Amino acid sequence: AAGVIQSPRHLIKEKRETATLKCYPIPRHDTVYWYQQGPGQDPQFLISFYEKMQSDKGSIPDRFSAQQFSDYHSELNMSSLELGDSALYFCASSSGLRTDTQYFGPGTRLTVL
Amino acid sequence: AQSVAQPEDQVNVAEGNPLTVKCTYSVSGNPYLFWYVQYPNRGLQFLLKYITGDNLVKGSYGFEAEFNKSQTSFHLKKPSALVSDSALYFCAVRDGGKTSYDKVIFGPGTSLSVIP
Repeated sequence: AAGVIQSPRHLIKEKRETATLKCYPIPRHDTVYWYQQGPGQDPQFLISFYEKMQSDKGSIPDRFSAQQFSDYHSELNMSSLELGDSALYFCASSSGLRTDTQYFGPGTRLTVL
Repeated sequence: AQSVAQPEDQVNVAEGNPLTVKCTYSVSGNPYLFWYVQYPNRGLQFLLKYITGDNLVKGSYGFEAEFNKSQTSFHLKKPSALVSDSALYFCAVRDGGKTSYDKVIFGPGTSLSVIP
């Protein structure tokens, strides 16, 4: 079965640079979620989109923005990167039904030097 | 507000023995409960969920979990542990009384080590 696809899998950036992470949800899933997992931490919710509209917002810094496109893929844009942004970034998708499971992608490991 | 507690950072069990990973939760509405497993440098894999119905939920790889409303718990269990079960386990909760696209809140995770 098709899973959530994230690209790139690994990304190395310098401080103050920008980064764009991409997420392709499972086919027919209309809801996308972004999570950040720091070293030894549990995943922290950043932001979600339902039918291309932002549906919920968590602890996402103002330096970050995201959107969901007409084909339901999503991009997380990160600017003015800081050392503390180094983390594993997960995208998850679901069908939007209240009882549906969020299925996670393999993650993008961002390292800020 | 939703919250999840996993009281044990680390659980060690001998191969072939039963395992339990504990989880308690707090939500204002009906709880939707999930277990995910994470292997090193990998994504989160869904194991099982409780939405409604039978309190005992069966999931992938022989895992099951028991929902206990009075104790607000959702402990993960497996009758016979395998070395390959060694991983990080996350319990998560969503408030079923909220919107359908609401986030899940994760617990801090429990590292399971199965000793040969």
